[in-house]
Amino acid sequence: QKEVEQDPGPLSVPEGAIVSLNCTYSNSAFQYFMWYRQYSRKGPELLMYTYSSGNKEDGRFTAQVDKSSKYISLFIRDSQPSDSATYLCAMSTGRRALTFGSGTRLQVQP
Amino acid sequence: KAGVTQTPRYLIKTRGQQVTLSCSPISGHRSVSWYQQTPGQGLQFLFEYFSETQRNKGNFPGRFSGRQFSNSRSEMNVSTLELGDSALYLCASSFSGTSTDTQYFGPGTRLTVL
Repeated sequence: QKEVEQDPGPLSVPEGAIVSLNCTYSNSAFQYFMWYRQYSRKGPELLMYTYSSGNKEDGRFTAQVDKSSKYISLFIRDSQPSDSATYLCAMSTGRRALTFGSGTRLQVQP
Repeated sequence: KAGVTQTPRYLIKTRGQQVTLSCSPISGHRSVSWYQQTPGQGLQFLFEYFSETQRNKGNFPGRFSGRQFSNSRSEMNVSTLELGDSALYLCASSFSGTSTDTQYFGPGTRLTVL
């Protein structure tokens, strides 16, 4: 069993929809949680970073962490075609190495 | 400020050869990490360097090695290439490499082993 599980999708939604992306993890030592976005043929770029349970909002993006359930989510409001990409959750125990989920491919249809 | 640059962007090698990939971090960043990305295994941590010292290492065989120079530029080397080494190799830099530091990724080097 992988330490971080993420549904690979693909996930296809119409423009303007609310998108929910999720990851579960098994290692309770993970303390830092991130969401990266990766466009085709590009490196991942950081979208959201949090280290505590609860919600963190940044524009159209909300990251949610539930440490008791070992579950994290990323919500995208008013999704746009430009949001079409692969979304990767990543976690760290504090030793700087990131453990990534397999990524969810999102397609937003205009 | 220029981002993380990686060279070359694409590379084709044959089994048994060795390869060296290069990464130039963002100016002022002293921590460089390397990751391997494959369709089957996703993104996996290889190693991290800070001030020319390897601080952290992932679960990869000894054929994978790296180093960092005094200007923070880093290289990784893969010896005796295998077909399974075909992957996108990503480099990420951060200011000090602490857990709260943002890691900025480069575009990657796509290695194909024939």
